[in-house]
Amino acid sequence: EVQLLESGGGLVQPGGSLRLSCAVSGFTFTRYAMSWVRQAPGKGLEWVSTISSSGSDTYYTDSVKGRFTISRDNSKSTVYLQMNSLRAEDTAVYYCASGFRPMTSLSSLEYWGQGTLVTVSS
Amino acid sequence: EIVLTQSPGTLSLSPGERVTLSCRASQSVSTSYLAWYQQKPGQPPRLLIYDASSRATGFPDRFSGSGSGTDFTLTISRLEPEDFAVYYCQYCGGSPFTFGGGTRVEIK
Repeated sequence: EVQLLESGGGLVQPGGSLRLSCAVSGFTFTRYAMSWVRQAPGKGLEWVSTISSSGSDTYYTDSVKGRFTISRDNSKSTVYLQMNSLRAEDTAVYYCASGFRPMTSLSSLEYWGQGTLVTVSS
Repeated sequence: EIVLTQSPGTLSLSPGERVTLSCRASQSVSTSYLAWYQQKPGQPPRLLIYDASSRATGFPDRFSGSGSGTDFTLTISRLEPEDFAVYYCQYCGGSPFTFGGGTRVEIK
């Protein structure tokens, strides 16, 4: 059974930092790109970041460039999202998701975690 | 950057009806890079259609995707109660991997 389990969300003050983790099991993690997608309360989906299967390529939406860093540890089947300089507008449920096609970042997202809530507020 | 515009924003329909959802891209998109997702309240999205017209595992054949270039369509041939949800299209051919704004299909 495929499982993606996010953790690390919570309440943080503006300007603060959080690190999200997503532990994966049930498929060959090293073959698939991984992504983070967020959803603000009552809003639609917003793609945040993607990392290639090897970790050599990373992609970010403009609003988080320079503040968020995606990484992965293939030995632990885990993907991370380091979030710095957090703003109120970063408040959302953050989902991790795996690519559908192996060995490419250009792929739809097949498996999703249940999400972790990040709230940025003073 | 490719922008995806979904219409309408909300559809109010009855079970048994046929529904057609639109996703329009700001520039031509390869069919290999257009996906649709279904999301129900309190749940993560589920991949519904990949490559514009291929149905993902677990979805019945009343769901179909079509289109090319800048215009893509998701069709549900006959709405079942479990189909009432929000549907999103996504471009996955390069960064940014944008989502459309979504179409809510609600019970009339």
